[in-house]
Amino acid sequence: AQSVAQPEDQVNVAEGNPLTVKCTYSVSGNPYLFWYVQYPNRGLQFLLKYITGDNLVKGSYGFEAEFNKSQTSFHLKKPSALVSDSALYFCVARKGGGGNKLTFGTGTQLKVEL
Amino acid sequence: KAGVTQTPRYLIKTRGQQVTLSCSPISGHRSVSWYQQTPGQGLQFLFEYFSETQRNKGNFPGRFSGRQFSNSRSEMNVSTLELGDSALYLCASSLALSRTQTGGYTFGSGTRLTVV
Repeated sequence: AQSVAQPEDQVNVAEGNPLTVKCTYSVSGNPYLFWYVQYPNRGLQFLLKYITGDNLVKGSYGFEAEFNKSQTSFHLKKPSALVSDSALYFCVARKGGGGNKLTFGTGTQLKVEL
Repeated sequence: KAGVTQTPRYLIKTRGQQVTLSCSPISGHRSVSWYQQTPGQGLQFLFEYFSETQRNKGNFPGRFSGRQFSNSRSEMNVSTLELGDSALYLCASSLALSRTQTGGYTFGSGTRLTVV
């Protein structure tokens, strides 16, 4: 069975500082990996995805993620955090090659302070 | 283009009743998946429909069922509601040309179900 781990329930960072939200996965074969963000009372918004190719994936709003196959990690990063980035972030995995069943991490609450 | 539309946005039901939730995907998207989000269990996969056929199913009891219509709109039904069914139910729409589609997933805003 596939699984996704987000080891930090909450990450606090000062505005202007770089941020990292960690994610590790366990998926057989070649995984498809995604990051989504959820704001209060709203649905999930797509940030970026890794399917194949370059290990560094660039996404929306200045976010990027680095795929590391040996460490089975897919950490989300941003060089300079904004207060408006404060939200709940989900790392998501899908088994490559079959169906659309997504496995979600437990989510990491990002809080960016002035 | 219009996004994924879920109706209703909020719903209050009594234990033992049944409920039907609706999801209209993005035009042209053929795959609709359903997820349950609760504070304790996080986001869990319910089922996926593609071209009116259930393609994947999560680990939920038979009280949870769904269907998809020829226009790709999907409904999920929960019978004999329990307090623990209170959750945000999200649907995701994707453009699935094959089982190996690699596109993204667009989520609706969800239906907040409260069982009292």
